[in-house]
Amino acid sequence: AQSVTQPDIHITVSEGASLELRCNYSYGATPYLFWYVQSPGQGLQLLLKYFSGDTLVQGIKGFEAEFKRSQSSFNLRKPSVHWSDAAEYFCAVAGGATNKLIFGTGTLLAVQP
Amino acid sequence: ETGVTQTPRHLVMGMTNKKSLKCEQHLGHNAMYWYKQSAKKPLELMFVYSLEERVENNSVPSRFSPECPNSSHLFLHLHTLQPEDSALYLCASSQDMTSGVYEQYFGPGTRLTVT
Repeated sequence: AQSVTQPDIHITVSEGASLELRCNYSYGATPYLFWYVQSPGQGLQLLLKYFSGDTLVQGIKGFEAEFKRSQSSFNLRKPSVHWSDAAEYFCAVAGGATNKLIFGTGTLLAVQP
Repeated sequence: ETGVTQTPRHLVMGMTNKKSLKCEQHLGHNAMYWYKQSAKKPLELMFVYSLEERVENNSVPSRFSPECPNSSHLFLHLHTLQPEDSALYLCASSQDMTSGVYEQYFGPGTRLTVT
């Protein structure tokens, strides 16, 4: 069965520090992978996606993610975190005939001044 | 209006009430989705509509009834809800999945509280 694991429930980083959020997936075929961000009281905003091709994908707000098939991972990175990045981050894999998204449980990011 | 909009943003209802959630997308998409986001649980897909036809019902109780009158609008009719149905209900849209996999765009959600 398809699944997504985000091992870190909560992460705190200092403003200006680098960030890496982990995501591991289980999917039998070629995965279509996404990272979304959710600010408090808001819906989900797409940060980036991986469908095929270059395994390092660039997204909005300075985020990037690297697809590693051998590790079944799709980790999200940012070289320098801003206070406005504090939010919850969700990794997801799409699959099946109905394009449904399977989400991880999310990682809540706090940013210290 | 741009993107995906949802109304109301907040809703409090008793267990015997009937209410409806509305979603509208302004992106020219042909597929729409309802998700439920409960505290400490992963987002759960509820329903999928493709070209106004329901193509997935993820074992959702019958007290939730979706309706998709056209490709721009999606409703979720609620009746006889339980307190455990309190959650954030998110609507999303995408290009029609019959031609490939596409990213989904989400609305801001309706925060539902059942008393």
